[in-house]
Amino acid sequence: KAGVTQTPRYLIKTRGQQVTLSCSPISGHRSVSWYQQTPGQGLQFLFEYFSETQRNKGNFPGRFSGRQFSNSRSEMNVSTLELGDSALYLCATTSAGGNTDTQYFGPGTRLTVL
Amino acid sequence: AQSVTQLDSQVPVFEEAPVELRCNYSSSVSVYLFWYVQYPNQGLQLLLKYLSGSTLVKGINGFEAEFNKSQTSFHLRKPSVHISDTAEYFCAVSERIAGYSTLTFGKGTMLLVSP
Repeated sequence: KAGVTQTPRYLIKTRGQQVTLSCSPISGHRSVSWYQQTPGQGLQFLFEYFSETQRNKGNFPGRFSGRQFSNSRSEMNVSTLELGDSALYLCATTSAGGNTDTQYFGPGTRLTVL
Repeated sequence: AQSVTQLDSQVPVFEEAPVELRCNYSSSVSVYLFWYVQYPNQGLQLLLKYLSGSTLVKGINGFEAEFNKSQTSFHLRKPSVHISDTAEYFCAVSERIAGYSTLTFGKGTMLLVSP
């Protein structure tokens, strides 16, 4: 089985721009979660999608949004980028998103905001 | 709301020595507990998880962890580490009452194994 794929792997943007990151889950996985990882704050939950619906959301401003398609692929978007948005963005997928499920993580997208 | 504290940001150890990485959690409800490992430039990989039953959980790569409810701890141990164990380790919790998985992570512990 192919693992979780994230594209692009690296991205450089300037303040004020917007960015879209993509996550393709393991075949058969319907739940996709997104996390932001920074040296200062560690890993923080952004949101989770299941069957094209956002089921849970972390404590991030509205500039962070996401969506999920019918094939379970997910995208997250960050608008009006700020320097503090520089981070590694990880997605994790599970078959049904249950709280006992193992989350399988992608390699991440490294976003640098200049 | 739950929280996770990993007491050590870095743990240096010599190869073949034993190691313990400490994790304490705080939650008003019962939780499930997880340990993940992150190698450089990679995503996270599950080492082990505690859902119920025996409080001693065995995972991959020779790691094990013990759930202690009274001390709200879930420390990770390995009797003999290898150079290849050098990585960052994250403890995480998920609330039992939630129908879906939202992991709350600790800040991570960097395990540095030297020859």
